[in-house]
Amino acid sequence: DAKTTQPNSMESNEEEPVHLPCNHSTISGTDYIHWYRQLPSQGPEYVIHGLTSNVNNRMASLAIAEDRKSSTLILHRATLRDAAVYYCILRDLSNSGYALNFGKGTSLLVTP
Amino acid sequence: KAGVTQTPRYLIKTRGQQVTLSCSPISGHRSVSWYQQTPGQGLQFLFEYFSETQRNKGNFPGRFSGRQFSNSRSEMNVSTLELGDSALYLCASRTGRGSYEQYFGPGTRLTVT
Repeated sequence: DAKTTQPNSMESNEEEPVHLPCNHSTISGTDYIHWYRQLPSQGPEYVIHGLTSNVNNRMASLAIAEDRKSSTLILHRATLRDAAVYYCILRDLSNSGYALNFGKGTSLLVTP
Repeated sequence: KAGVTQTPRYLIKTRGQQVTLSCSPISGHRSVSWYQQTPGQGLQFLFEYFSETQRNKGNFPGRFSGRQFSNSRSEMNVSTLELGDSALYLCASRTGRGSYEQYFGPGTRLTVT
């Protein structure tokens, strides 16, 4: 399975944008990029996913590099509720199943 | 629509015992996956079931098993418990083929003494 590399932790001020980077230099053409986050004492929750083009939804934006070797999750205005561990995950579309390898993720601290 | 529910939420067992955890997926979801979360290893995939068939299996010993029923509810079983099995066990469901979002339950906290 292709691996992802994320910083262990990041810090942001409330109401400022946050850019969470993810490197995946060994990504294959059939790998989707998924982002999940896990708030304290909760199960993970889906944030966003993409293949080649940038994606937006109500929670965040996903910017994917042209060579697909890296991506960035963008939270446009961080709130205290966005403090969580963010996981960048590659999922092989050629695999009919859905087995996620979460890795260590980035722990985001949001300060008022 | 109700979310993924897991029972029990907390469990204490003794080494050598076995345990069964239960998961009820979101209504209409046919795929159920199980994950183990520990401070040292993080979140690790155990197995996935779709329409009562195991589709994927993670790198766990045979002591870990699961099954899915015709109503999509799933159970996982751990036999001959070891101290290292102490973890948060998370269940997740999704609609099935072609769906990209997986919805997680709150987990069952298992402590093995």
